[in-house]
Amino acid sequence: DGGITQSPKYLFRKEGQNVTLSCEQNLNHDAMYWYRQDPGQGLRLIYYSQIVNDFQKGDIAEGYSVSREKKESFPLTVTSAQKNPTAFYLCASSIGTGTQIAKNIQYFGAGTRLSVL
Amino acid sequence: AQKITQTQPGMFVQEKEAVTLDCTYDTSDPSYGLFWYKQPSSGEMIFLIYQGSYDQQNATEGRYSLNFQKARKSANLVISASQLGDSAMYFCAMRYNYGGSQGNLIFGKGTKLSVKP
Repeated sequence: DGGITQSPKYLFRKEGQNVTLSCEQNLNHDAMYWYRQDPGQGLRLIYYSQIVNDFQKGDIAEGYSVSREKKESFPLTVTSAQKNPTAFYLCASSIGTGTQIAKNIQYFGAGTRLSVL
Repeated sequence: AQKITQTQPGMFVQEKEAVTLDCTYDTSDPSYGLFWYKQPSSGEMIFLIYQGSYDQQNATEGRYSLNFQKARKSANLVISASQLGDSAMYFCAMRYNYGGSQGNLIFGKGTKLSVKP
C-alpha cells in the first residue's frame, strides 16, 4: 500500500532533550512538508522540501531542524530550543510544487503527538 | 497576505440532511487552489475536494461539493446526505501558486461537525 508513515505515534520529551520524528513515503513524491497543529487550531507549516538535499523554512521553523537525504524520508528534529513543543505533528507529501500540476494534492500521514515530561 | 477564515467553530446536522461549512479566503493573486480536508478524531488529514481559481464549474466528489463564489472569495463545502461517519473537524486550505512558497498550503482554524442520529 502506498502512503505516508509517521513514527512514533506518541513521543515524550524531557527538558533539554532533542527528539526526532520520522516521516517516510513510498508515493514517489518530490515534495514533503512538516506541519504543527495546536488544539483548536489549523495547521502551521514548519519546514518543506521540494527536492532531495534541499529544504526551506516555513512560518514557524524556530526550534526545529530537518534533513532530506533521501527522496522517501524527511525527518523532523524538535530541538531543546523549541520551548513549547507540545503539539500534534503532521507530515505530508505531494507530487511536486509546480503550478503545472493542476491539483498537486498534499497527502498526510497519521501524525505524531509530542508531549513534554 | 493570504488568509483563510472559517467562522463556524462547531456545527450540528441531523443524519441524512445536507450541511454547508463556510470558508472565505483573501488573496491578491489571480491563480490559487482551494482544498477541503477532513480530520477525524484519529488525527489523519483526509483530502476531500479541490477547486482551482480558474475552474469554470464547481467541484464535486461524491457527496461533497464545493460552492465556489469567486467574487465573494468564498469556497463553502456542502455535504449531502450526512452520515454518522462524517463527524469530524473540517479544514479549508488555500495553496499559493506564485513565488518561492508556491505549492504550500495555508489552513483555516477548522469547523467541528457533529452528525446526530
